[in-house]
Amino acid sequence: KAGVTQTPRYLIKTRGQQVTLSCSPISGHRSVSWYQQTPGQGLQFLFEYFSETQRNKGNFPGRFSGRQFSNSRSEMNVSTLELGDSALYLCASSGGLNTEAFFGQGTRLTVV
Amino acid sequence: AQSVTQLDSQVPVFEEAPVELRCNYSSSVSVYLFWYVQYPNQGLQLLLKYLSGSTLVKGINGFEAEFNKSQTSFHLRKPSVHISDMAEYFCAVSDSDNQFYFGTGTSLTVIP
Repeated sequence: KAGVTQTPRYLIKTRGQQVTLSCSPISGHRSVSWYQQTPGQGLQFLFEYFSETQRNKGNFPGRFSGRQFSNSRSEMNVSTLELGDSALYLCASSGGLNTEAFFGQGTRLTVV
Repeated sequence: AQSVTQLDSQVPVFEEAPVELRCNYSSSVSVYLFWYVQYPNQGLQLLLKYLSGSTLVKGINGFEAEFNKSQTSFHLRKPSVHISDMAEYFCAVSDSDNQFYFGTGTSLTVIP
């Protein structure tokens, strides 16, 4: 079956703009999590959605938001982009408790 | 809350030599343990997982890990590394809420 799909793969935005990233989980998976990965901070948890509800949230400012649709596809939005938002954004889906997370290939966001 | 510590940020090793990447976790409850590998500009790929049962877990690409509850460790080992094993390795735990916690990663460098 198809894996986790993230679009777009690469994105360049200017400071102050907003951006929306998309993640399609593995079919049947209801949990979708988002992570930010930077060389300095490593892999940081943004939030997790399960059945259209945000279930867990990391320590990020309100500029970072997300949502999940009824088909489990998820989007994350970053408003008022800052240079420090440049990162690889990873999405992961899982099929339930006691199972591994499956990752997409990520979206590389560059803010200039 | 859980936490994961990867004791070495970088590990250099000669080709065909054995390697051990260390991981310790802190948790007062039962957790599930994972090792992921990340190649440049890619998402994370599952190497192996421990959910229950035998404490020695075998994964892909010849890797294995041993769960040691008394030492709260889950070290990753490979008896003979190859150039193709050069990547970033992440240890992770998940809890009963399906929340994943990742270590800061270990960069494996293989010296020809």
